[in-house]
Amino acid sequence: DSGVTQTPKHLITATGQRVTLRCSPRSGDLSVYWYQQSLDQGLQFLIHYYNGEERAKGNILERFSAQQFPDLHSELNLSSLELGDSALYFCASSGRDSGRYTDTQYFGPGTRLTVL
Amino acid sequence: AQKITQTQPGMFVQEKEAVTLDCTYDTSDQSYGLFWYKQPSSGEMIFLIYQGSYDEQNATEGRYSLNFQKARKSANLVISASQLGDSAMYFCAMILGGSSGSARQLTFGSGTQLTVLP
Repeated sequence: DSGVTQTPKHLITATGQRVTLRCSPRSGDLSVYWYQQSLDQGLQFLIHYYNGEERAKGNILERFSAQQFPDLHSELNLSSLELGDSALYFCASSGRDSGRYTDTQYFGPGTRLTVL
Repeated sequence: AQKITQTQPGMFVQEKEAVTLDCTYDTSDQSYGLFWYKQPSSGEMIFLIYQGSYDEQNATEGRYSLNFQKARKSANLVISASQLGDSAMYFCAMILGGSSGSARQLTFGSGTQLTVLP
């Protein structure tokens, strides 16, 4: 168990809809990352938040947005969903291990999104 | 931009044998980190091992070791004494150097599917 939680585990929805994926980082981790894993694109970085502020954006579509709240949990919002958005969405967090800063990103179990 | 290459889409190994999964990377940065993650069929991404670009010794974690050859830009994962539970997809990934709070992201390779045979 990485200590990172994601809800829901599975999500099935229709094209054109909007969904929200939720992530709680490991206790004390200030950084939260979102990744998308699809069969054709592999694992792609979407966005990074550090202590509530956006730090980096990757291949994130304009229809997608994210935020990190004061309690450090994060939400990824996906709107106007298309069939091609079907994928496994991971949240990861990083911070300190045994008091030392670490680059290691610990992944949540993922949310499997199916758009029909 | 950084790039990770895993040239072995699939590998087979006999139980109890050792196996090496290849990973080469490309970056012009001097400071970076290399990771291996395991993704079983259940889907979760499990961190295995980390090597920093300035680390002089190869990283080891139990049955996992990272064969880091900086001049060749390779970071191969060695799994000793393979077990049936090692059957999974393995991803090599890289992060560029930076301080806590700076923009950090992992760049992943395409993965290697390892099958351990009984």
